[in-house]
Amino acid sequence: AQRVTQPEKLLSVFKGAPVELKCNYSYSGSPELFWYVQYSRQRLQLLLRHISRESIKGFTADLNKGETSFHLKKPFAQEEDSAMYYCALSDSGGSNYKLTFGKGTLLTVNP
Amino acid sequence: GAGVSQSPRYKVAKRGQDVALRCDPISGHVSLFWYQQALGQGPEFLTYFQNEAQLDKSGLPSDRFFAERPEGSVSTLKIQRTQQEDSAVYLCASSPRRVHLKNIQYFGAGTRLSVL
Repeated sequence: AQRVTQPEKLLSVFKGAPVELKCNYSYSGSPELFWYVQYSRQRLQLLLRHISRESIKGFTADLNKGETSFHLKKPFAQEEDSAMYYCALSDSGGSNYKLTFGKGTLLTVNP
Repeated sequence: GAGVSQSPRYKVAKRGQDVALRCDPISGHVSLFWYQQALGQGPEFLTYFQNEAQLDKSGLPSDRFFAERPEGSVSTLKIQRTQQEDSAVYLCASSPRRVHLKNIQYFGAGTRLSVL
């Protein structure tokens, strides 16, 4: 069975500090990993996906298959980054693209 | 353009009542997903449609839950004889399934169901 673990429920940093949101996964197939974000009073939206290898809003995430991790990083956090972040996994080789989500990490960036 | 639309946004039901939750996906999106998000948890998969075909309903928690998408666009999630444990936010997502966009799901704002 596939599983996504986000060990930190809450993470609080100061503006300008580096931030890392941890995500570990368990999956026997070929996974595709995502980070979704939910800002206050907004809907869940895609932040980035590992196959795009993009930096979105200064965030990056590298898939480490050896450690089965997909940690989200930003070198200098901004107050507007405060939100709920969900790591998610999908089967890239199948025909059903359902997402398996972690429980989420609430990031608070203090001024 | 318009995103995924869900209605109602909030629903309060008495235990034992039947409820119907509606999802209007983004026009032209082939795939449609329903998720259940309990308080303090991440969304959990309920069911998946490709056009009008329900290809996976493995996440539906009981036979009280039923989903349909008869014309391959609007979908309805029905919960019969609601129980308190059904209280959650129900999220709908759609996906275009074009190869370079596959796996990207666009979420609605959700329906918050409270069963008293």
